[in-house]
Amino acid sequence: QKEVEQNSGPLSVPEGAIASLNCTYSDRGSQSFFWYRQYSGKSPELIMSIYSNGDKEDGRFTAQLNKASQYVSLLIRDSQPSDSATYLCAATFNTDKLIFGTGTRLQVFP
Amino acid sequence: NAGVMQNPRHLVRRRGQEARLRCSPMKGHSHVYWYRQLPEEGLKFMVYLQKENIIDESGMPKERFSAEFPKEGPSILRIQQVVRGDSAAYFCASSPPTGGRGTDTQYFGPGTRLTVL
Repeated sequence: QKEVEQNSGPLSVPEGAIASLNCTYSDRGSQSFFWYRQYSGKSPELIMSIYSNGDKEDGRFTAQLNKASQYVSLLIRDSQPSDSATYLCAATFNTDKLIFGTGTRLQVFP
Repeated sequence: NAGVMQNPRHLVRRRGQEARLRCSPMKGHSHVYWYRQLPEEGLKFMVYLQKENIIDESGMPKERFSAEFPKEGPSILRIQQVVRGDSAAYFCASSPPTGGRGTDTQYFGPGTRLTVL
């Protein structure tokens, strides 16, 4: 059973701090990894995708992938209250379907 | 450029009725995926379709659920004889036709929230 695991949180950080969200997965054959943000009652919104080892930066967001250790993380710099949401980690395991973690709830307080 | 469209946004059915959920992919996308999100749970894959073909239905319940993506028109997820446990948010996602092997980014629609009374 292919799995993606996340700490459910909530993760609470003060405004302006760095939020670090982590995700582990069970299959070394995983190819593609995605971070989605989901506000309560809304649909998942893509933040970043990452396919190879290392860091990928996009604005305030940095995704990090370490295939040897089977983890992927998302860093949010200068966190804002508007970043408060559930962050979903997803992976594909040599198929086209996304396997999601249960999500980490992030709270950014002023 | 319209995103993924789903309708209805909210659907209320009584036990035993049928629910039909529709999804129109983004322009230029020919791959459609359906996911279900039960209350307080994560997103679970249900089915992956291309035009007129079901590619992967490994996440579909064996009974009462079916999906199609005809040559013309939206993809439809059909739930027959709904039960209270079917109450959930159903999301459709689409991806472009190039690539494959799990590398294409999927973009999600707004979802249909099904409530079974």
